Amino acid sequence: ELKVEQNPLFLSMQEGKNYTIYCNYSTTSDRLYWYRQDPGKSLESLFVLLSNGAVKQEGRLMASLDTKARLSTLHITAAVHDLSATYFCAPPGGGSNYKLTFGKGTLLTVNP
Amino acid sequence: GAGVSQSPSNKVTEKGKDVELRCDPISGHTALYWYRQSLGQGLEFLIYFQGNSAPDKSGLPSDRFSAERTGGSVSTLTIQRTQQEDSAVYLCASSSPGGNTIYFGEGSWLTVV
Repeated sequence: ELKVEQNPLFLSMQEGKNYTIYCNYSTTSDRLYWYRQDPGKSLESLFVLLSNGAVKQEGRLMASLDTKARLSTLHITAAVHDLSATYFCAPPGGGSNYKLTFGKGTLLTVNP
Repeated sequence: GAGVSQSPSNKVTEKGKDVELRCDPISGHTALYWYRQSLGQGLEFLIYFQGNSAPDKSGLPSDRFSAERTGGSVSTLTIQRTQQEDSAVYLCASSSPGGNTIYFGEGSWLTVV
C-alpha cells in the first residue's frame, strides 16, 4: 500500500522568506501531483511532474521530483500572503496513473 | 461547462436516508473520479470511470456506496442508508484522454445527522 508523508504539516512563514515542503512516498511512482486547497474550496492543480528529475515552476512555487529517492519538493520563494493555503502532494498508486494517494497536506500561513 | 460541476453543494440528511450526489465533468473528459475528504481520513479515492465503465471501484468503503455514469458524461454517487461516518466532502474530478491534469470540482458537503 502506498504511503505518502508530507512535512512539515504546519508551516508559518514571514513574507519574503523561502521554504521547502517535502513529500516522501513509499512505493515506486513515476509521476506526482501537487494541489493547493483554500479553506472551504476545492483542489486547484499546481503541478504534474511526469518523470524523474522533472522540475516545474510557476511564479513563486517550484516543484521537483526524484523518483529514485521517492521524494518530491515544493519550494516557495519570497513568500507572499496570497500563498497561504493547504498544499497536498499526491502520487498515483496501485499500479495506476490515476488513483491518487494524498498526503495529509501542509497548512501554510504566510504572515506580513 | 468550464469546470467540473457538482450538486448539491451542501446536503444535510438524516441517518438512514439515501442520498445522491451528481457530477458533471468537463466536456470531453472521458475519465471521471470520485474522492472523499474528511477530517479523520483525509483525501481518499473512491472510484474511477473510463467512459461509462468503472474499472476501479476499490475505494468504495462499503456496499452502501455505488456510482454510475451515463452517456460518458454525468455521474451519480449514491449512498444508501447513510451513517454519521459518511459525513464528508465528496469531490468529483475528471481528466481528458491522454491528459495528465486531473481537475476537481467544488465538492458536495454531506452532513448526516
